[in-house]
Amino acid sequence: DAGITQSPRYKITETGRQVTLMCHQTWSHSYMFWYRQDLGHGLRLIYYSAAADITDKGEVPDGYVVSRSKTENFPLTLESATRSQTSVYFCASSESLGGGIHEQYFGPGTRLTVT
Amino acid sequence: AQSVTQLDSQVPVFEEAPVELRCNYSSSVSVYLFWYVQYPNQGLQLLLKYLSGSTLVKGINGFEAEFNKSQTSFHLRKPSVHISDTAEYFCAVRNIETSGSRLTFGEGTQLTVNP
Repeated sequence: DAGITQSPRYKITETGRQVTLMCHQTWSHSYMFWYRQDLGHGLRLIYYSAAADITDKGEVPDGYVVSRSKTENFPLTLESATRSQTSVYFCASSESLGGGIHEQYFGPGTRLTVT
Repeated sequence: AQSVTQLDSQVPVFEEAPVELRCNYSSSVSVYLFWYVQYPNQGLQLLLKYLSGSTLVKGINGFEAEFNKSQTSFHLRKPSVHISDTAEYFCAVRNIETSGSRLTFGEGTQLTVNP
């Protein structure tokens, strides 16, 4: 299906485990983003990527790793999950052509619980 | 750096009443402004955006927002709400001078429309 998808939609993991959240978009958008959503904080940017093999930190990158070997995929890895990483994670993508302002399109989210 | 403050975390209203969701921003440079809506268990979708030109911006679902540069505000309004408008609404800003579509979000306002 066309669009932006995230998997899994729900995940429960234990403290100290490694977990990877997947994000896939079919538009060939240049930019991709990972946010976490927590009560009282809105959405905070974790990492973003301007193109394949180009990534950069956002506001709250500690404890997370990203990669982008292909334009359409942008996985987010928690190398050693902690309870403070319990959150809803959203992936987003946007185009950037000729300096225009393009909206971000969001995936449906992954609800992660770390026990 | 920029920041966004949504002045009300929750706004309950009755169906067919008017509503205003308030958003103030702080930035040392010019910004673009956005409102996103998040329906339960879904990702965010763009309601409207202000880039330049007329300070009154119309979006989807009958919503509009007015940019006030002197008051650094971008309040969202709808003259008559429906039950289906129940959702969380996020105000966001982007620094005009930076590339990459990076957005800074407010904490969100939960709009609940009661019959």
